Amino acid sequence: AQKITQTQPGMFVQEKEAVTLDCTYDTSDQSYGLFWYKQPSSGEMIFLIYQGSYDEQNATEGRYSLNFQKARKSANLVISASQLGDSAMYFCAMPPQGGNNRKLIWGLGTSLAVNP
Amino acid sequence: EAQVTQNPRYLITVTGKKLTVTCSQNMNHEYMSWYRQDPGLGLRQIYYSMNVEVTDKGDVPEGYKVSRKEKRNFPLILESPSPNQTSLYFCASSPAGPYGYTFGSGTRLTIV
Repeated sequence: AQKITQTQPGMFVQEKEAVTLDCTYDTSDQSYGLFWYKQPSSGEMIFLIYQGSYDEQNATEGRYSLNFQKARKSANLVISASQLGDSAMYFCAMPPQGGNNRKLIWGLGTSLAVNP
Repeated sequence: EAQVTQNPRYLITVTGKKLTVTCSQNMNHEYMSWYRQDPGLGLRQIYYSMNVEVTDKGDVPEGYKVSRKEKRNFPLILESPSPNQTSLYFCASSPAGPYGYTFGSGTRLTIV
């Protein structure tokens, strides 16, 4: 079965430093998209960034960027200049193989703690 | 404000008592979806809808029903809830195309 793997259950980072959260995936599709979401302790899910497999450049949104390595099937999220408010769970997600873009498969998440 | 509104936020109920979790979005999004989130299992999709009157099963549809009679609303119905449906539920919507879902605030459902 198709799988998204986030190998870091928990991460710590010092405020103002950069951190990379790993995501690897398994698909034989040539065209696909990858999503990252943030879930703070309050529980809501917040869409952060999207990467299309044929996008020529790695996606960026403010302090969030993707280190997308298609051959390695990885789409790591980089958060620059970490802030205390970045402490949250982070999830990577993608559509299933051959499936439509609205049915997402999710990784189990990485818990990020930003230390002051 | 563009948002997905789901109600109630919290509900404790008893086995077998039918319940409905409402979901409404004000962004004219085509796609809507229901997820449940459980510790160790992550987010799993229950049902999704690609437009009015078009719904399809996700990964864990058993015990749930949905309907999409209007574009803005996508209620989740538990006809005969059981304790294994105790979970955190999210409704989400998105426009067509490669865009992320906008999620509601979640419904913490406990069935005793």
